[in-house]
Parts: sequence; structure tokens; C-alpha cells
Amino acid sequence: DTGVSQNPRHKITKRGQNVTFRCDPISEHNRLYWYRQTLGQGPEFLTYFQNEAQLEKSRLLSDRFSAERPKGSFSTLEIQRTEQGDSAMYLCASSLVGLAVGTDTQYFGPGTRLTVL
Amino acid sequence: ELKVEQNPLFLSMQEGKNYTIYCNYSTTSDRLYWYRQDPGKSLESLFVLLSNGAVKQEGRLMASLDTKARLSTLHITAAVHDLSATYFCAGGGTSYGKLTFGQGTILTVHP
Repeated sequence: DTGVSQNPRHKITKRGQNVTFRCDPISEHNRLYWYRQTLGQGPEFLTYFQNEAQLEKSRLLSDRFSAERPKGSFSTLEIQRTEQGDSAMYLCASSLVGLAVGTDTQYFGPGTRLTVL
Repeated sequence: ELKVEQNPLFLSMQEGKNYTIYCNYSTTSDRLYWYRQDPGKSLESLFVLLSNGAVKQEGRLMASLDTKARLSTLHITAAVHDLSATYFCAGGGTSYGKLTFGQGTILTVHP
């Protein structure tokens, strides 16, 4: 039984570069979420998908951020023209909704730690 | 918009003692979640509370939900060192999709 996986686990980049992260959800989970967590804070919602449809994006999310979930399986999160303020842990989670009460618990992956120099 | 506040933010406990972490939320939430996070690790689901009066227990941890007071509690009984971690509560769920997290409570259990 595999959980949520994320790649890469660590990414160091220079300011202005583009980066892309990948998330593979738990098999058959229909929802996939992206969160960002900075040191000492709780995770902050970025966006989520149900199957391949992106249902919500945070109002705080810059236009430099884009996410896709082609075919409703894995997802990618791209950050263009990175800034030092983008340095954070990027967490992916997945859940299964629609079958029974309580099955929509979000299970989190190990995260991708981004450092922008 | 849902806001979630936890207190205390820092909790230093002696082994064997009991304590409670409080989680207040601002508006109606489908459900209330508790997660645990160890340093440098991701979040581990502990409990999901679905309705008013819900109580769930796992080992030394017990979570409860009072939707009228918009309050959830995580009670720790006879703390042991292995419980040292950061605990987050979060509101939201199916209707809302996203989770809104509290700031987290850093729990340290001393011998």
C-alpha cells in the first residue's frame, strides 16, 4: 500500500528560475490538494482538484503559480520566476470523497522543500 | 471565511501528566481534523470528528467536538515522550474541499 509520494524531496534554485514539483496521490483517490507550509506555521491551502478539474485556487496564489492534474492522476505544481519568499515546504495531499461519511480524510505526502537563493 | 485558532501554541509537559489542547473555529465547518507532525516530516492524520458531541480516542489521545461552541479539544492522558510533536487542528472537508489549519501546538514531553 503506497501513500502519497512527492518529487523531488528537496529543490534549491536561484531567484528567477522556474521549478516544477510532482505529486502522485494514493491510487483511486479522486481529490488532490496542494498546500504550502513555512516554518512554525500550519499548512496554507493553495489549490485542489477533483479528478482532472481544478475546483479552487487560493486568492493568495500568485499568477506565477500553476498546477495541473492531467487525466486525474498525478499532479504538477509549477512556480515561475521564483522569489525568495517562495521558499517553503510544498505539501500534496489526496482524499477519496463521495462514497461514505468520513472517507475524505486528506493524507499528506512527505513534501518538497524549496529553497530559493 | 473559516479561521482556526489553537491554544496553547507551546506546551511543555512532564511525563505522566494530563493536558488539553484547544481548537476554536470561526464559522460552520463540515468536520474537524487533528493531525500530528514530527520535525521535518509530513502530517499524520489522527482523528476526524464529524458531528456535535463526537468523541474519538486512540491510545493516550482523545479528541472531542462541540459544534455549538465551535470548539474541539485534544486531551492527552499520562503523557509519554513519544507524544512530543506538533499537533494541528483543521476545519473544512467535503463541502469546502480545502482544510484551514490552526497555527499548531508544539508539545514537548519531559521525563
